[in-house]
Amino acid sequence: QVQLQESGPGLVQASETLSLTCTISGGAINNYYWSWVRQSPGRGLEWIGFVYHTGSTSTHYHPSLWTRASISLDTVNNQFFLELSSVTAADSGIYFCARRSEWHFDLWGRGTLVTVSS
Amino acid sequence: FTLTQPPSVSESPGKTVTITCSGSSGRIANTFVQWFQQRPGSAPTSVIYEDTKRPSGVPARFSGSVDRSSNSASLTISGLRTEDEADYYCQSFDNSNYVVFGGGTKLTVL
Repeated sequence: QVQLQESGPGLVQASETLSLTCTISGGAINNYYWSWVRQSPGRGLEWIGFVYHTGSTSTHYHPSLWTRASISLDTVNNQFFLELSSVTAADSGIYFCARRSEWHFDLWGRGTLVTVSS
Repeated sequence: FTLTQPPSVSESPGKTVTITCSGSSGRIANTFVQWFQQRPGSAPTSVIYEDTKRPSGVPARFSGSVDRSSNSASLTISGLRTEDEADYYCQSFDNSNYVVFGGGTKLTVL
């Protein structure tokens, strides 16, 4: 049974870089869109971006975040990563990693809470 | 491209409720819509994908539809149970195939 688990610091200083890891256990890494989605307190879901691997790797980001976000993949250790630079309080929230197969987000991690402190 | 949902709906146990998702452009007519359920303190889980398909384990009480003429999608839950009380989000893709979520609908089962 495939599982996703987010990890990373729960507290990040404003203007610093938020770094999160998603560990993929029990499944293949190829041919999926490995994605990050966040949810601000009391608000809805916001897609951040994805990394896609099938031999070569490609990434896509939300237009409002592409200058600050970077998603990468470690195929050896079955992990993918999110880095979000120059964070502000608006970046506080729950960060989910998720697997998407073509159109379907079929698997989600439990989420990790990140607070940006000034 | 935005997806608009009603902020809240409520219905009684055993009844049927429909949650709508309206696209700001004709994009829904040309791509797929997904629906997610999110209970408090939990991650979203898929209840409908590719407009009408139910993931394994999702009961047949959940159904999805798309009206391409009105650029809108709907999630219908029949035989409501108290455990269906949750937030529901629609999701689709814009012209660049970037992921777009609706604002979410809080379902209260009275």
